[in-house]
Amino acid sequence: DTGVSQDPRHKITKRGQNVTFRCDPISEHNRLYWYRQTLGQGPEFLTYFQNEAQLEKSRLLSDRFSAERPKGSFSTLEIQRTEQGDSAMYLCASSIQPRNEKLFFGSGTQLSVL
Amino acid sequence: RKEVEQDPGPFNVPEGATVAFNCTYSNSASQSFFWYRQDCRKEPKLLMSVYSSGNEDGRFTAQLNRASQYISLLIRDSKLSDSATYLCVVTPGGGYNKLIFGAGTRLAVHP
Repeated sequence: DTGVSQDPRHKITKRGQNVTFRCDPISEHNRLYWYRQTLGQGPEFLTYFQNEAQLEKSRLLSDRFSAERPKGSFSTLEIQRTEQGDSAMYLCASSIQPRNEKLFFGSGTQLSVL
Repeated sequence: RKEVEQDPGPFNVPEGATVAFNCTYSNSASQSFFWYRQDCRKEPKLLMSVYSSGNEDGRFTAQLNRASQYISLLIRDSKLSDSATYLCVVTPGGGYNKLIFGAGTRLAVHP
């Protein structure tokens, strides 16, 4: 498989629970991004990594959100104490920099907070 | 003001029509520009980069006007398979490498 994979595809949780998503980028890609998308909107930037270093976080990313990429390969995004407003599609993308700014997206994790 | 603004549409056009999408961006330091395509319930995929001199890829033509901070996408001879949401994307420059997406313009091509 040469694409970006995300797990799970769907997650339903109750308000206040913690959830964790995983992203496996394309193997040679050194940049990994997390975006969030709600209906009728474009993807909204959350954070990105260059190898294992987290280089930028959106102001929108509250302290309930944390992302890691411990060995510069896969990444996890954790949301603590979920709120209904966290319901969205969480998209992961990877790219190989600096050669190419093209992002390859995974199919996303659809989160529903009840 | 949003960093990237697009007309949300939808644009409903018959097959064979020519359709144009516009996009404006607020940060004059923006460096790179793209159009992505997103099919319903799918992930976004790069359609084409946008260069200062304008560029064409088959039926698709992209234009950039840095002075007006304006980007356009022209689709000629529309096909049913062109039905999708078209996302205007910029990188902010200034050492920031994230891509900033517009809300997208929805296109529906009908027989």
